[in-house]
Amino acid sequence: AQSVTQLDSHVSVSEGTPVLLRCNYSSSYSPSLFWYVQHPNKGLQLLLKYTSAATLVKGINGFEAEFKKSETSFHLTKPSAHMSDAAEYFCVVSGNYNQGGKLIFGQGTELSVKP
Amino acid sequence: DTGVSQDPRHKITKRGQNVTFRCDPISEHNRLYWYRQTLGQGPEFLTYFQNEAQLEKSRLLSDRFSAERPKGSFSTLEIQRTEQGDSAMYLCASSPEGQFSTDTQYFGPGTRLTVL
Repeated sequence: AQSVTQLDSHVSVSEGTPVLLRCNYSSSYSPSLFWYVQHPNKGLQLLLKYTSAATLVKGINGFEAEFKKSETSFHLTKPSAHMSDAAEYFCVVSGNYNQGGKLIFGQGTELSVKP
Repeated sequence: DTGVSQDPRHKITKRGQNVTFRCDPISEHNRLYWYRQTLGQGPEFLTYFQNEAQLEKSRLLSDRFSAERPKGSFSTLEIQRTEQGDSAMYLCASSPEGQFSTDTQYFGPGTRLTVL
């Protein structure tokens, strides 16, 4: 079965400093992995996705993530945090073909950005 | 706006009442998903449709829950005899036809249900 574990429930950074949100996954096959962001009172928005192509994936708003099979990790990074990055971030793994592509979400990491 | 829309955005009901939510997917997306998100948790899969066919239901979807997607367009999620434990955000997502595992799912804003 597929699962994801987000290692931090809350991360706080200062504006202009790097962001690191950690995610480990478990999958019995080669997974597709995603990061979604959820701003208060707004819908989930896709930041980036990994689908077995390049292991370093670039997304929107300067975010990127690196797929490391040996470490079963898919950490999300950004070189310089902006106040508008404050939100809830979800690491997600996709179910396999027989599971209709349903998404399996981590518990979420709340990112706070201090001025 | 051509995104996924959900109606209503908020619903407050009394325990024991029935409620129905609607989801309009992105036009021509033939896959539609329902998820439930409780406070402080990530969304959990409930069910999904390929066109009008409901192909999978989570064990979270008790007999009080029913979902439909007539004609493969909009979808409704009904909860009968609501309980306080049903209070959550109900999210709808749609995706185009393609390889399941790589498809991007586009989410609506959600319907927040509060059961008193």
